[in-house]
Amino acid sequence: DTEVTQTPKHLVMGMTNKKSLKCEQHMGHRAMYWYKQKAKKPPELMFVYSYEKLSINESVPSRFSPECPNSSLLNLHLHALQPEDSALYLCASSQVLAGAQETQYFGPGTRLLVL
Amino acid sequence: KQEVTQIPAALSVPEGENLVLNCSFTDSAIYNLQWFRQDPGKGLTSLLLIQSSQREQTSGRLNASLDKSSGRSTLYIAASQPGDSATYLCAVRPGIYNQGGKLIFGQGTELSVKP
Repeated sequence: DTEVTQTPKHLVMGMTNKKSLKCEQHMGHRAMYWYKQKAKKPPELMFVYSYEKLSINESVPSRFSPECPNSSLLNLHLHALQPEDSALYLCASSQVLAGAQETQYFGPGTRLLVL
Repeated sequence: KQEVTQIPAALSVPEGENLVLNCSFTDSAIYNLQWFRQDPGKGLTSLLLIQSSQREQTSGRLNASLDKSSGRSTLYIAASQPGDSATYLCAVRPGIYNQGGKLIFGQGTELSVKP
């Protein structure tokens, strides 16, 4: 099973709402990632977790709050977002961070619209 | 700072043609280079990963090459089919200064294969 699942598929939220995105993998991977992708642009890394610890935060605004409660699950908590945060949010995982042969496996994404 | 460029931005070919997508990167210090495919509004599917010590990788009708010294990679698609229509993204994993797992993406090539 090389699948990364993400829920919900679509999300519409107001600027005062609090919502969460969920990502799950059962491949035994110990590295998990959040990316943001705007239309017609490549994905941009937001956060990296390694062994449930935050490894990289790419200077993401605090209205995005990641959480890794266990090795299979990665959440992204959203609060007081802006319309410009509307994008496709992609989750990915890899076996570990290091290694020249590490492939990142991506989920289908959550399409977020902030009104 | 590592930069990844893909040419062309868009490509339209008739079914059955062989084609080449190009990717260039500015810093040859990389762990690996990956080619991904993305269908509209979907997540990324990993096609091929070439480690920095390798010259090429093949999977079915796809062949990817890597010339680290010149900072170039090509993705060759043989006998193209309408189902190959998608955006193809090239991503490098920086080497020496890599903080762990970060991928830097090119802007992508949008491929359309006409029946």
